Amino acid sequence: GENVEQHPSTLSVQEGDSAVIKCTYSDSASNYFPWYKQELGKGPQLIIDIRSNVGEKKDQRIAVTLNKTAKHFSLHITETQPEDSAVYFCAAIRRGGAGGTSYGKLTFGQGTILTVHP
Amino acid sequence: DSGVTQTPKHLITATGQRVTLRCSPRSGDLSVYWYQQSLDQGLQFLIQYYNGEERAKGNILERFSAQQFPDLHSELNLSSLELGDSALYFCASTAGGASGNTIYFGEGSWLTVV
Repeated sequence: GENVEQHPSTLSVQEGDSAVIKCTYSDSASNYFPWYKQELGKGPQLIIDIRSNVGEKKDQRIAVTLNKTAKHFSLHITETQPEDSAVYFCAAIRRGGAGGTSYGKLTFGQGTILTVHP
Repeated sequence: DSGVTQTPKHLITATGQRVTLRCSPRSGDLSVYWYQQSLDQGLQFLIQYYNGEERAKGNILERFSAQQFPDLHSELNLSSLELGDSALYFCASTAGGASGNTIYFGEGSWLTVV
């Protein structure tokens, strides 16, 4: 099955700095890679995603890059703010299937605790 | 608000007991996932249903079972509870389909077994 490794486990930055979180995956059939932000006491919230036919995607201060050959993808947050402090999870899944169904499970990385100091 | 509703939000029960967690997916979503989140195990996939049928199974214990009803809501049944079952249980939903859709998570049910 799919295995997703995420680094670092904790990341501390100053407000305004950039933060980068990296993930690697094992299953070359995985074709969809979402990133989730989880705040204390809340469920994971999707912040950005990328499909395997795209190398990079950006949404304001957040960007994700994907290297299919190396099987790794990264989250980049620029101009960090204290409200960016949370746990961030990467994930991978193989999407699509016969009869219009989605395959299997979303496999998560171990999570990164991001702390942005004012 | 993701549109995925989970009840109860908090639950405290004793070892050996049985509980049922309920999930209402986003309107129109056919696929429901259940995940367990604990401090030492991260987000672990339990089971997926698509339009009432079991689609994929993860590391779900035999003491746990789930189902998805015709109205698409889902229930996760946890029996013979042990202290180690204390965790956050998340439900997620997606519309499904060959091209795939965003997977949205609920706010979770916090289970404490004492």
